[in-house]
Amino acid sequence: AQKITQTQPGMFVQEKEAVTLDCTYDTSDPSYGLFWYKQPSSGEMIFLIYQGSYDQQNATEGRYSLNFQKARKSANLVISASQLGDSAMYFCAMARGGSYIPTFGRGTSLIVHP
Amino acid sequence: DGGITQSPKYLFRKEGQNVTLSCEQNLNHDAMYWYRQDPGQGLRLIYYSQIVNDFQKGDIAEGYSVSREKKESFPLTVTSAQKNPTAFYLCASSIRQGPYNEQFFGPGTRLTVL
Repeated sequence: AQKITQTQPGMFVQEKEAVTLDCTYDTSDPSYGLFWYKQPSSGEMIFLIYQGSYDQQNATEGRYSLNFQKARKSANLVISASQLGDSAMYFCAMARGGSYIPTFGRGTSLIVHP
Repeated sequence: DGGITQSPKYLFRKEGQNVTLSCEQNLNHDAMYWYRQDPGQGLRLIYYSQIVNDFQKGDIAEGYSVSREKKESFPLTVTSAQKNPTAFYLCASSIRQGPYNEQFFGPGTRLTVL
């Protein structure tokens, strides 16, 4: 069975600083995809970034980057230059070979202080 | 603008009643999904559909039913058999199932059983 673990229930960061949100996964499939989503208080899930298991380079999307360490099975999200609007829940998800239905972690609550 | 709409935003149900949550997408996506989210939890898959007139059970399908008569619509019925239906329900779609396709989410429906 696949498993996604987010060990940080809550994180605090000062505005304009960088923050890393942890995500580890467990799968024996060689083909899988890793996703990060943001969920503001409104409830809608917003796609942030994707990393494929065969991708050689870490994914980046604007202020978001994914620190992909395949041997350690970790896919940490790095947010640079935090903004107040980054305050939200962040979910890591994995879609593996077969059905490719994403499995989600429990999420990390990020609060950005001014 | 393309996107996913869910209605209603808030829904109140008396015990013993069936209720239907609406999900419509105009993204021309083949795959659609229903998730349930409880406080402090990640998303759990209820049902998913890859094509019209076909759908599969997810991890927590008991007490729920779906239909996929049109590509753009994937309604979810919460039946009286669902013992603890109070939760936040999210509908999503993707171009197709696969490791490279992110899911697009609707704004969600918050269901409360009175």
